[in-house]
Amino acid sequence: AQKITQTQPGMFVQEKEAVTLDCTYDTSDPSYGLFWYKQPSSGEMIFLIYQGSYDQQNATEGRYSLNFQKARKSANLVISASQLGDSAMYFCAMREYNNNDMRFGAGTRLTVKP
Amino acid sequence: DAGVIQSPRHEVTEMGQEVTLRCKPISGHDYLFWYRQTMMRGLELLIYFNNNVPIDDSGMPEDRFSAKMPNASFSTLKIQPSEPRDSAVYFCASSFLGAGYTFGSGTRLTVV
Repeated sequence: AQKITQTQPGMFVQEKEAVTLDCTYDTSDPSYGLFWYKQPSSGEMIFLIYQGSYDQQNATEGRYSLNFQKARKSANLVISASQLGDSAMYFCAMREYNNNDMRFGAGTRLTVKP
Repeated sequence: DAGVIQSPRHEVTEMGQEVTLRCKPISGHDYLFWYRQTMMRGLELLIYFNNNVPIDDSGMPEDRFSAKMPNASFSTLKIQPSEPRDSAVYFCASSFLGAGYTFGSGTRLTVV
């Protein structure tokens, strides 16, 4: 069974600095996708970034980048130049293409300090 | 595109009553997922459909829960009878093939 682990329940970062949110995963399926979602206090789930298991390059989307280390089974999210609006819950998720469902980690609550 | 549309946004009901949550996926998406989010258990996958057919309902907690997708543009999640421990935010999400999910705004259910 697939498993997603986010070991940081809460993180603090100073505005304008970079922050890394950790995510490790476990799967025996060679074909999978890794996702990060943001959930602000309003409750909606916002897709941030995607990394496929066969992608050679780390994914980037604006200020978000995914540090994908396949051998270590980690998919850390890096947010550069943090903004106050980045304060939210962040969820790492994995979708095995054998199963086609997506499982989520427990989440990390990020607080950006002014 | 209007995105994934869920209704109602909030639902308060008394224990023992039937509750029906509704979801309209994005047009053209072939997968539909129902999740439940609680503080204690996080985001749990309840059931998902592919081309309107239920594929995996192993996450449905009990027989009190049932889900249907009568056509490509509509799905329901029903709880009968409801219990206080069913209080949670219920999300519907849809996707096309293996792409990422688009989530609805969620339904906050409170059972008193």
